[in-house]
Amino acid sequence: GQQVMQIPQYQHVQEGEDFTTYCNSSTTLSNIQWYKQRPGGHPVFLIQLVKSGEVKKQKRLTFQFGEAKKNSSLHITATQTTDVGTYFCAGQGGATNKLIFGTGTLLAVQP
Amino acid sequence: EAQVTQNPRYLITVTGKKLTVTCSQNMNHEYMSWYRQDPGLGLRQIYYSMNVEVTDKGDVPEGYKVSRKEKRNFPLILESPSPNQTSLYFCASSFVPNYGYTFGSGTRLTVV
Repeated sequence: GQQVMQIPQYQHVQEGEDFTTYCNSSTTLSNIQWYKQRPGGHPVFLIQLVKSGEVKKQKRLTFQFGEAKKNSSLHITATQTTDVGTYFCAGQGGATNKLIFGTGTLLAVQP
Repeated sequence: EAQVTQNPRYLITVTGKKLTVTCSQNMNHEYMSWYRQDPGLGLRQIYYSMNVEVTDKGDVPEGYKVSRKEKRNFPLILESPSPNQTSLYFCASSFVPNYGYTFGSGTRLTVV
């Protein structure tokens, strides 16, 4: 069945360093979404990407959708302590068109 | 304020004792869904509902039931909870199926 993998599982950075998490699907996706979950909190929707090669920015966050629509990345420039949390990608596609969440990347930011 | 409200936030129960986790949304969303979150496994869909009286199984439906008698409410029922159902549960809703979910605050369930 459709699988969505995320790497790395965990990343520890110094405040001010950049951070990137990668998402890979076993099948072609119709869209990919990104969510952020603060420690002890619930997932919060960040963005959706639909088009092949699409790039979207939200302040220091840059989201990319691969040309083949099977992978995506989230890049954070100059991390801040407020960026701490788990970032999930969620891909929709495959025969069932279900939304499958990745396993998440936990970001820790040291001041 | 637009929100999804889940209750209770925390619950400890014993094996076999029926329980219900309530979920209510005030955004007039047609699409609602239940997820469980376990370490290393991400979020897995239990059940979803496209509209009133329309529900379907997600990826891990065994041991759970749901109902959708009203648009705003989507309770999750565990008829006979077992320890492997110890998890963090989230209810979510969206205007369009599978797009831009709004999640509830979560229910941490422990079955002993």
